[in-house]
Amino acid sequence: DGGITQSPKYLFRKEGQNVTLSCEQNLNHDAMYWYRQDPGQGLRLIYYSQIVNDFQKGDIAEGYSVSREKKESFPLTVTSAQKNPTAFYLCASSKQGLSGNTIYFGEGSWLTVV
Amino acid sequence: GENVEQHPSTLSVQEGDSAVIKCTYSDSASNYFPWYKQELGKGPQLIIDIRSNVGEKKDQRIAVTLNKTAKHFSLHITETQPEDSAVYFCAASRPSGTYKYIFGTGTRLKVLA
Repeated sequence: DGGITQSPKYLFRKEGQNVTLSCEQNLNHDAMYWYRQDPGQGLRLIYYSQIVNDFQKGDIAEGYSVSREKKESFPLTVTSAQKNPTAFYLCASSKQGLSGNTIYFGEGSWLTVV
Repeated sequence: GENVEQHPSTLSVQEGDSAVIKCTYSDSASNYFPWYKQELGKGPQLIIDIRSNVGEKKDQRIAVTLNKTAKHFSLHITETQPEDSAVYFCAASRPSGTYKYIFGTGTRLKVLA
């Protein structure tokens, strides 16, 4: 089935560790996005990528990094510089990367600092 | 800056009643307005969307209306069922210059059996 796959579903991070969240899509979408969602809150954009080997910072990029080496993949690394990383992380994609094309979301990954 | 205001933040209705959620956007260049439903612990799913060239769109029990002059759009759910209970997000995006969607802060809908 076509869709967006995020892994792992649950991840625990120790203080000072970097962790990477995986996002893979087989929808042949050009654009991919990472959002952060805190309990009871809306969606905040971390990074987005319109095409391979290109990505842009969103509203809350500090403490995060991404790469876009393949069209299908857009991994997010939560670095130790992110002081409050506990949240629900959502990967999304859209066709052509143009506003007005629908964003589709993955099922999300829960990250908890222990 | 650009923003989307969504009201109410919580909404409780009796099963079978209607529910209405409203969003107001600030960027007059916005031309695409999707609505998403998010169940607990899951990613948001698109339930309906509307583009600025139409004023209303309906899909079974769900409808969306758009008032471009007032810059607001609304989600209408009729004959609500317990499975409609979820968080609903509106969003707005503009045609060019940015790849960002502006999301509302969400409405938690509870349908009481």
